[in-house]
Amino acid sequence: AQRVTQPEKLLSVFKGAPVELKCNYSYSGSPELFWYVQYSRQRLQLLLRHISRESIKGFTADLNKGETSFHLKKPFAQEEDSAMYYCALSGGGNYGQNFVFGPGTRLSVLP
Amino acid sequence: NAGVMQNPRHLVRRRGQEARLRCSPMKGHSHVYWYRQLPEEGLKFMVYLQKENIIDESGMPKERFSAEFPKEGPSILRIQQVVRGDSAAYFCASSPSLGGGSEQFFGPGTRLTVL
Repeated sequence: AQRVTQPEKLLSVFKGAPVELKCNYSYSGSPELFWYVQYSRQRLQLLLRHISRESIKGFTADLNKGETSFHLKKPFAQEEDSAMYYCALSGGGNYGQNFVFGPGTRLSVLP
Repeated sequence: NAGVMQNPRHLVRRRGQEARLRCSPMKGHSHVYWYRQLPEEGLKFMVYLQKENIIDESGMPKERFSAEFPKEGPSILRIQQVVRGDSAAYFCASSPSLGGGSEQFFGPGTRLTVL
């Protein structure tokens, strides 16, 4: 069964500090991993996906198959990064369509 | 492309009433997903539908909840005889294609309050 864990429910950092939001997964096949972000009073939106290997808003995430992790990192946090972050995995199911979200981590960037 | 539309944005119901939540996927998308977000909790998968078919309803409560995605019109999530515990934000997402790796595009959500 596929599963996504995000061990931190809440993460608080000061502006300018590095931030790492942890995500671990369990999946027997080759997963597609995503990070979604939900800013206050806005809809959930895709932040980045591992296959595109891009940096969005200064965030990066590397898929580590050995550690089954997909941690989200940013070297210098900004106040506008404060939001709810969800790690998600796509794969599995009869049609490969199952999308599983982690419980989310609320990032609070303090001034 | 207006994106995924959900209505109403806010819905208030008294215990025992029915709640109907609508979701119009993005143009060209034929896959719809419903999620529930309880207060202070993460997103929980409820059901995955294609036109006229329920593909995966493993996250749906067995009673009172149903979903459909007719050939014409929006997808509907129906909650019968609502209870206070149904109060939550319900999000709909759509994707264009089948298979892993398809990004899901989310609607703004419907916030259901049961009095």
